[in-house]
Amino acid sequence: QLQLQESGPGLVKPSETLSLTCTVSGGSIRSSSYNWGWIRQPPGKGLEWIGSIYYSGSASYNPSLRSRVTISVETSKNQFSLKLTSVTAADTAVYYCARDVGRRAIYDSSGAHFDYWGQGTLVTVSS
Amino acid sequence: SYELTQPPSVSVSPGQTARITCSGDALAKLYACWYQQKPGQAPVLVIYKDNERPSGIPERFSGSSSGTTVTLTISGVQAEDEADYYCQSADSSGTSVVFGGGTKLTVL
Repeated sequence: QLQLQESGPGLVKPSETLSLTCTVSGGSIRSSSYNWGWIRQPPGKGLEWIGSIYYSGSASYNPSLRSRVTISVETSKNQFSLKLTSVTAADTAVYYCARDVGRRAIYDSSGAHFDYWGQGTLVTVSS
Repeated sequence: SYELTQPPSVSVSPGQTARITCSGDALAKLYACWYQQKPGQAPVLVIYKDNERPSGIPERFSGSSSGTTVTLTISGVQAEDEADYYCQSADSSGTSVVFGGGTKLTVL
C-alpha cells in the first residue's frame, strides 16, 4: 500500500522560506507512470494546487505561485520537496503531498488527478 | 483566472439522491474528478475521468458530464457521506490543475 508522509517545520516566520519534504513508501518515486504533487488548504478554505514534479526533475507550477515555488525530487531517498519563499500569513495552510496520475506529460494537466494523499501538515506563518 | 464553480452547499435526507454540480468552460473538453473530504482528513478520490470509480469506492458514487458541467451523484445517501466535495480539472490551456471551491454535503 502506497503511503506518503509530509515533514517539516510547523511554524515559519514571515518573509522566510517554507520547506517541506514528502517521503514515499510502499512504491518507487521513479515510476514512469506517476508524478508527485503538492496541494495546500488554508484553514476553513478550499484546495489549491501548488505544483507537480516527475522523477526526472521536470516540474509544473501554479502560475499564481510560480515566482516563489520550487519543487525538487530526491530519488535515492524516495522523497520530493517543496520550497516556498517570502511567505506571509496568507501561506498559512495544511500542506498535502499526493501522487499525481493521469497526465500525458508534466506540462499537460488535462486528466491529472491525485489518488494517494499524505495526511497533511499544518504550517503556520507567524512571527 | 480560470474557475470551477460549485454550489456552496447541498442537503439531502438519508436514502435520497444527492447531486453536486461543477461548471467550467473547459469541462466540455477536459476530464474532471471528484474528492470527498471529511473534517480533519485528507481528501479521498471518489471519481476520476468524469465517471470512473477507484477501487474501494462504493457504487453509490457516480459521475457524469454534459457540456460545461460535470455532476457527482450519490445514490442512497448515507450519514457517512456527509463531507465536503471538491471537483478538479485543468485550466482552459490544460497546463494547470484547478479545484472547485467545494460543496458541503449535509445529510439531514
